[in-house]
Amino acid sequence: GESVGLHLPTLSVQEGDNSIINCAYSNSASDYFIWYKQESGKGPQFIIDIRSNMDKRQGQRVTVLLNKTVKHLSLQIAATQPGDSAVYFCAETGNQFYFGTGTSLTVIP
Amino acid sequence: GAVVSQHPSWVICKSGTSVKIECRSLDFQATTMFWYRQFPKQSLMLMATSNEGSKATYEQGVEKDKFLINHASLTLSTLTVTSAHPEDSSFYICSATPSGSYEQFFGPGTRLTVL
Repeated sequence: GESVGLHLPTLSVQEGDNSIINCAYSNSASDYFIWYKQESGKGPQFIIDIRSNMDKRQGQRVTVLLNKTVKHLSLQIAATQPGDSAVYFCAETGNQFYFGTGTSLTVIP
Repeated sequence: GAVVSQHPSWVICKSGTSVKIECRSLDFQATTMFWYRQFPKQSLMLMATSNEGSKATYEQGVEKDKFLINHASLTLSTLTVTSAHPEDSSFYICSATPSGSYEQFFGPGTRLTVL
């Protein structure tokens, strides 16, 4: 796996609004993509995944969109709540596992 | 299922001492475990990949003699920070991959504070 220790981009949204977090991936051979949520002081937790033969997958309040043409992954959170405030990482895996930089989401009550 | 634990969750130690952090897969066998380091407001930085029964593969810039990794069984990997210094203070997170899978399951992390 790989990751880069960069300062995280931030996103602030109003409670109740929808959030969109984006991620670009690099490996055309990646066939499985995962979104993780990391709350402060805790390890990352699995949110939702998608395989490369799909372009959309929905969970509870979350939707992942995959655009293989431009190697782009997005996570949509509907009706964002204060408890959604966290850092969100995308990950791609095929024959290796790569993390995205992550985005820090802050929900404003 | 797929639970990974770490122990301790928080450790404070004096400069110059060594600290061991354990990572366990509780309900699955993990042929591969990963160790990450994370500074505040930054992403995870992979330190090393640990395969059961073999030497760990360290990322560039990570001192293998400073961060000793042992993956003695399919459910346990340990990271020992030797002669810790204040700059080693960080959040250390492990993850484990079940045999035959690519997905990583993360532990809750260990906060190391070196005085």
